[in-house]
Amino acid sequence: EAGVAQSPRYKIIEKRQSVAFWCNPISGHATLYWYQQILGQGPKLLIQFQNNGVVDDSQLPKDRFSAERLKGVDSTLKIQPAKLEDSAVYLCASSLRLGTSADTQYFGPGTRLTVL
Amino acid sequence: KNEVEQSPQNLTAQEGEFITINCSYSVGISALHWLQQHPGGGIVSLFMLSSGKKKHGRLIATINIQEKHSSLHITASHPRDSAVYICAVRGGAQKLVFGQGTRLTINP
Repeated sequence: EAGVAQSPRYKIIEKRQSVAFWCNPISGHATLYWYQQILGQGPKLLIQFQNNGVVDDSQLPKDRFSAERLKGVDSTLKIQPAKLEDSAVYLCASSLRLGTSADTQYFGPGTRLTVL
Repeated sequence: KNEVEQSPQNLTAQEGEFITINCSYSVGISALHWLQQHPGGGIVSLFMLSSGKKKHGRLIATINIQEKHSSLHITASHPRDSAVYICAVRGGAQKLVFGQGTRLTINP
């Protein structure tokens, strides 16, 4: 079974530029998560989708971050404009069904963003 | 104070030693997860616990709901166990809250 795919793996941009990350979850997984992991810290949830609807985006800095999952499968996370403090690893995860014993999350390899 | 606290933050040990990593949380939870993160960012789920104890190979995870505490043990540690171990709890609204991680280094 293929895992969660993310691209790109690495991205270096200058502050005030825009960047987009892509995630393809495990086939059939209804729930998709985007996390931000700053160096030395645990992941922080940015946004959670159930199919193509947003379940939780309370920690998403909506003035600069946006995410979509239009067809309930792939998702993109965008930052516009980027700030220095956005340098982090952006992790995508998916799970079969939220709120059940099948909600073990499977993580992608992450995208390491460096903002200069 | 963070909702999930792990200790120690860093741990270095010799191959073969028995390892214990602790996780304390301050909120009501429905489940607790132990995750392993290798250099490069990939995260693997090791255990999901809601009570008692689980064992998988050399790894053992325990949870005490009354004391809001969980431990991850590694027996006969090996250099390939070197990684960051993260505790995460599923609280209200089914959201996962993560600890800051414990960086484990096992020297040969």
